[in-house]
Amino acid sequence: SQQGEEDPQALSIQEGENATMNCSYKTSINNLQWYRQNSGRGLVHLILIRSNEREKHSGRLRVTLDTSKKSSSLLITASRAADTASYFCATDTGRRALTFGSGTRLQVQP
Amino acid sequence: GAGVSQSPSNKVTEKGKDVELRCDPISGHTALYWYRQSLGQGLEFLIYFQGNSAPDKSGLPSDRFSAERTGGSVSTLTIQRTQQEDSAVYLCASSLRGVVGGYTFGSGTRLTVV
Repeated sequence: SQQGEEDPQALSIQEGENATMNCSYKTSINNLQWYRQNSGRGLVHLILIRSNEREKHSGRLRVTLDTSKKSSSLLITASRAADTASYFCATDTGRRALTFGSGTRLQVQP
Repeated sequence: GAGVSQSPSNKVTEKGKDVELRCDPISGHTALYWYRQSLGQGLEFLIYFQGNSAPDKSGLPSDRFSAERTGGSVSTLTIQRTQQEDSAVYLCASSLRGVVGGYTFGSGTRLTVV
């Protein structure tokens, strides 16, 4: 099974609503990162949260990290149609490369 | 350049042929990564280059896959004797600070083996 697993696999909401995606992981981490991937494009780095941080904000994004539960959540507030994309969590476990989850596909209906 | 550049953006090849995929990272980024993404799936780590250190090849799925990075800049991923299961999007990323910072990804090469 994967180090990072996102939940749900797919999410459909209306514009203006909040979207919450979760990521669970198995081994201890140094940091956890969230990326967005628009269809047919590469991934874009959104936000990084370190293992000693519990919450972080960037614009409409809010990330939480619970190392005791080995889980993180990404909240997008007041969603827009342009937020439609796949969202991936990635973990730094001390290896030389990030380990990515399988992603959550978010559809924001206008 | 301003971003990570990958070429070609699309490649269709016949089973058994060799292919070369190119990645031009952001100038000054010493870390370079190759990942593979199958349709609707997450990213599978392939190989990692850091400066002049020996690359981490632990993710390469078979000896048909190889990669090099010349002069600490441009990287080429080579797949020999391609198979249909090699069909995927191959993503390259570079980073200034490795895993402790964020990656900048290219748009990928979509490889289709027919």
